[in-house]
Amino acid sequence: SQTIHQWPATLVQPVGSPLSLECTVEGTSNPNLYWYRQAAGRGLQLLFYSVGIGQISSEVPQNLSASRPQDRQFILSSKKLLLSDSGFYLCAWSRPLPPWLDTEAFFGQGTRLTVV
Amino acid sequence: TQLLEQSPQFLSIQEGENLTVYCNSSSVFSSLQWYRQEPGEGPVLLVTVVTGGEVKKLKRLTFQFGDARKDSSLHITAAQPGDTGLYLCAGRREQTSYDKVIFGPGTSLSVIP
Repeated sequence: SQTIHQWPATLVQPVGSPLSLECTVEGTSNPNLYWYRQAAGRGLQLLFYSVGIGQISSEVPQNLSASRPQDRQFILSSKKLLLSDSGFYLCAWSRPLPPWLDTEAFFGQGTRLTVV
Repeated sequence: TQLLEQSPQFLSIQEGENLTVYCNSSSVFSSLQWYRQEPGEGPVLLVTVVTGGEVKKLKRLTFQFGDARKDSSLHITAAQPGDTGLYLCAGRREQTSYDKVIFGPGTSLSVIP
């Protein structure tokens, strides 16, 4: 069976400090990977998605970057955190189906980031 | 600007009551998904609807996709405290990459025992 691991679960970081959130998927090959950010009680904003190693698409301009150094590893980073980077960050994966087939997204447990 | 709107934003009801939440857009979607998210957890898929006018039932939950594929509704019969959570609709618009799934802002449901 497939599983997704995301860590850490909670993080408190000072403004200006770096950030590294990691996500790994087990039990599947060549998954599509996503990073979302969610404001409190709100929907999900897609930040980055990747269809393969080294292939990253950015959805919104921001203070964050993403990397996919291995097939099932997705990393969200920042060199200098801003207060506005606070939020709930979710990693997700989906099966690499052809575009005309729909597939669900499987989410990690999330990371609650508070920038102080 | 939200491409997917959800209403109501918040809903608090007594156990046993029925409710309907809505997901609307001015764009046509090739499919819509409904997820439920509990506090501190990631969303979990409930259903995917792909055909205009489609109705799917999952126990006490009934999902409908609008004929024009611009809207969807979720009806819960005899709500239970375990139904409490954030209900998110998500969809992929026609003519776009299948990776770009858009999420609505969600309806926060609280079912009071």
